[in-house]
Amino acid sequence: NAGVMQNPRHLVRRRGQEARLRCSPMKGHSHVYWYRQLPEEGLKFMVYLQKENIIDESGMPKERFSAEFPKEGPSILRIQQVVRGDSAAYFCASSPSGTMFTDTQYFGPGTRLTVL
Amino acid sequence: AQKITQTQPGMFVQEKEAVTLDCTYDTSDPSYGLFWYKQPSSGEMIFLIYQGSYDQQNATEGRYSLNFQKARKSANLVISASQLGDSAMYFCAMRESGGGADGLTFGKGTHLIIQP
Repeated sequence: NAGVMQNPRHLVRRRGQEARLRCSPMKGHSHVYWYRQLPEEGLKFMVYLQKENIIDESGMPKERFSAEFPKEGPSILRIQQVVRGDSAAYFCASSPSGTMFTDTQYFGPGTRLTVL
Repeated sequence: AQKITQTQPGMFVQEKEAVTLDCTYDTSDPSYGLFWYKQPSSGEMIFLIYQGSYDQQNATEGRYSLNFQKARKSANLVISASQLGDSAMYFCAMRESGGGADGLTFGKGTHLIIQP
């Protein structure tokens, strides 16, 4: 039973480039969450998506960041014109349903983004 | 105000001893879930244990148990018979049922080191 998959595991970009991070949820899960972890910090919620819908993007920076979860294929977190401050670990999590506070979110291995 | 407070940035414990990692939370929502995750040096986030606000009994999962004191708003993680492999960062997290963001709110974590 495959867990949450993220790729790439490590991504290096130069300032001004675009970063695309991909996440495939666990089988049977249709709810995806993205989090960012800065060095020595806990995870910070960014966005919650269901297939073809953004449900809650209250944690997303207003500019340069976007997320999607298409009908087919993985969820994508896109960061345009990256800056050094975007360097962080980005985690994706999935859950079987999204509306219950009882739902456990299972995390992928994360993508470590380094901006040079 | 912080919603999740973990007051122990780091802990050193002798192998085979029991460990208690502190977590206090702040919410006015009557319905919420509390989660503990482990993050080893390899970086992935591993779900350990869940406690719901309406659960009457403390949650247990193998060597992990949760000391849930609702009136004090604390949800401490207890690891019995610690092992070297328990060395990791441990994060307490909460999800409220409504009104706030749909993601988990994490504490800053406790770095646990098990000594032989």
